[in-house]
Amino acid sequence: KQEVTQIPAALSVPEGENLVLNCSFTDSAIYNLQWFRQDPGKGLTSLLLIQSSQREQTSGRLNASLDKSSGRSTLYIAASQPGDSATYLCAVSPQAGTALIFGKGTTLSVSS
Amino acid sequence: DGGITQSPKYLFRKEGQNVTLSCEQNLNHDAMYWYRQDPGQGLRLIYYSQIVNDFQKGDIAEGYSVSREKKESFPLTVTSAQKNPTAFYLCASSPGQKGYTFGSGTRLTVV
Repeated sequence: KQEVTQIPAALSVPEGENLVLNCSFTDSAIYNLQWFRQDPGKGLTSLLLIQSSQREQTSGRLNASLDKSSGRSTLYIAASQPGDSATYLCAVSPQAGTALIFGKGTTLSVSS
Repeated sequence: DGGITQSPKYLFRKEGQNVTLSCEQNLNHDAMYWYRQDPGQGLRLIYYSQIVNDFQKGDIAEGYSVSREKKESFPLTVTSAQKNPTAFYLCASSPGQKGYTFGSGTRLTVV
């Protein structure tokens, strides 16, 4: 059974720091991997989607990488800002259209 | 703008009551999903539907029911058989080959 783990569970950094959030999954047979952001009491906002054939995706200050063979993905946030404070969730899809399997998230706090 | 609308935002249920959470999408997505989120537990799948008039149980379907009579709508009913329904409920949809879109959630509280 696919399991997704995110480390660390919580992270506090000063503004301006570059940081990496980690996601690992136990079964390398995935269709795609998606990173989400969740603000307290809100729904999920999609950040980046990486198809299984891709190695990385970039959007602004965010870069996500995927290494299927080792079952790992990282989300790199450059020049962090207080507005980046949120919970970041990693999720994998085993097949097209099937339900996502989520990690428990990393809660990020960026102080000014 | 296309998106997913969940209503209500907050819902209160008395003991023994059934309540229905609404999820509507105008993205023309085939697949729709319901997740439950509890503090420290992450998101857990309740039910999903890949096509109209068909749906499958997820990991925690007991005490819940769904219907998919229209492509745009996937309501979730929390029945009295669900003993611990207080949670944040999230609905999502997907076109099957691309990413997933989530609604803004419904917070259900037992009173």
